[in-house]
Amino acid sequence: QQQVKQSPQSLIVQKGGISIINCAYENTAFDYFPWYQQFPGKGPALLIAIRPDVSEKKEGRFTISFNKSAKQFSLHIMDSQPGDSATYFCAARNDYKLSFGAGTTVTVRA
Amino acid sequence: NAGVTQTPKFQVLKTGQSMTLQCAQDMNHNSMYWYRQDPGMGLRLIYYSASEGTTDKGEVPNGYNVSRLNKREFSLRLESAAPSQTSVYFCASSEDVRSYEQYFGPGTRLTVT
Repeated sequence: QQQVKQSPQSLIVQKGGISIINCAYENTAFDYFPWYQQFPGKGPALLIAIRPDVSEKKEGRFTISFNKSAKQFSLHIMDSQPGDSATYFCAARNDYKLSFGAGTTVTVRA
Repeated sequence: NAGVTQTPKFQVLKTGQSMTLQCAQDMNHNSMYWYRQDPGMGLRLIYYSASEGTTDKGEVPNGYNVSRLNKREFSLRLESAAPSQTSVYFCASSEDVRSYEQYFGPGTRLTVT
């Protein structure tokens, strides 16, 4: 049973559009919430991360929104570009171990 | 720096065969991890090594063994491969277990027939 539920499984967005990926969790012991980006044939790489005492974090075109009371967090990719086409995983850390969501494959159409 | 390297890149095994997946990192990291990635399941932690000389079970350890050979190297062994172990295996490392960033290798695609 996955501790972090991620949706949607896949999405297609036009170049310049906004991609939104949602994650939910139940375990209130999670203390850190990273997002990883994975290109085909490669290992995941850390994209952006947030602590539960922060409601939003922005790095360039990528923004994490965090709702502690709802136990939900999301990744927004603004002005999506073809180079953003990848699989995105949300994750949550407890006891120094990461639990990953199932992943979302994002396709950006030019 | 090569980062995290894994060998082999691809492997096909027959049920019951054994093999060892190798992982090495050149970042002087203390902690290392083995994950498996399956469609619709994300990445699941098999084993990890918080520091040289220690190993601990993760979420899905059954059917696997690990060895932290030294600070650089962390191997994963399948003693008797089963079709359910068909997966992509990733090794990762981090500065220590408290670090939030894990660095992943390129993966090993394993098929068990």
